[in-house]
Amino acid sequence: DAGVIQSPRHEVTEMGQEVTLRCKPISGHDYLFWYRQTMMRGLELLIYFNNNVPIDDSGMPEDRFSAKMPNASFSTLKIQPSEPRDSAVYFCASRPTSGGYNEQFFGPGTRLTVL
Amino acid sequence: AQSVTQLGSHVSVSEGALVLLRCNYSSSVPPYLFWYVQYPNQGLQLLLKYTTGATLVKGINGFEAEFKKSETSFHLTKPSAHMSDAAEYFCAVTGANNLFFGTGTRLTVIP
Repeated sequence: DAGVIQSPRHEVTEMGQEVTLRCKPISGHDYLFWYRQTMMRGLELLIYFNNNVPIDDSGMPEDRFSAKMPNASFSTLKIQPSEPRDSAVYFCASRPTSGGYNEQFFGPGTRLTVL
Repeated sequence: AQSVTQLGSHVSVSEGALVLLRCNYSSSVPPYLFWYVQYPNQGLQLLLKYTTGATLVKGINGFEAEFKKSETSFHLTKPSAHMSDAAEYFCAVTGANNLFFGTGTRLTVIP
């Protein structure tokens, strides 16, 4: 079974540009999570979805960030406009509704560099 | 509210020495506890988890952790460190629908 898939793995962009990160959760998983990891702030939960509906977006840093989940197999995290302080590794994780005791399965991450 | 505290952001051990990474939790309900490992340039992967039952939990790569309710602790140990254990380790506790992660401990193994 394929794990969580994220694309691109690396993204370099210039300040002010729009950035879109993509995630495909594990098939059958009803929860999807977006995290950001930086040296300064560690691992931060940005937003999570259940059955494609955003449940908690209190971790989204500001209006420049938006996330969508149009269907059970795809989610995007968009930053518009991007700023150098958005440089980080962004992880997507998923888990099933039942079983596993809330264990999450992580993707390999997208390393974003904003110049 | 649920939270975890990892004592020591960096731990260094010699190859072959005991590894001990500390985690204390706070939870208003019986906790489910996890240790994840992150190797360089990779995502987090599950090392082990405590749900119910036996308080000593064994994980992958020779790691184990013991749930101690009286001490609200879930420390991670390995009897003999290997160079390949160099990574960042995260402790986590279950929330209502998600996990609350600690700030991580970076383990360095000295040859």
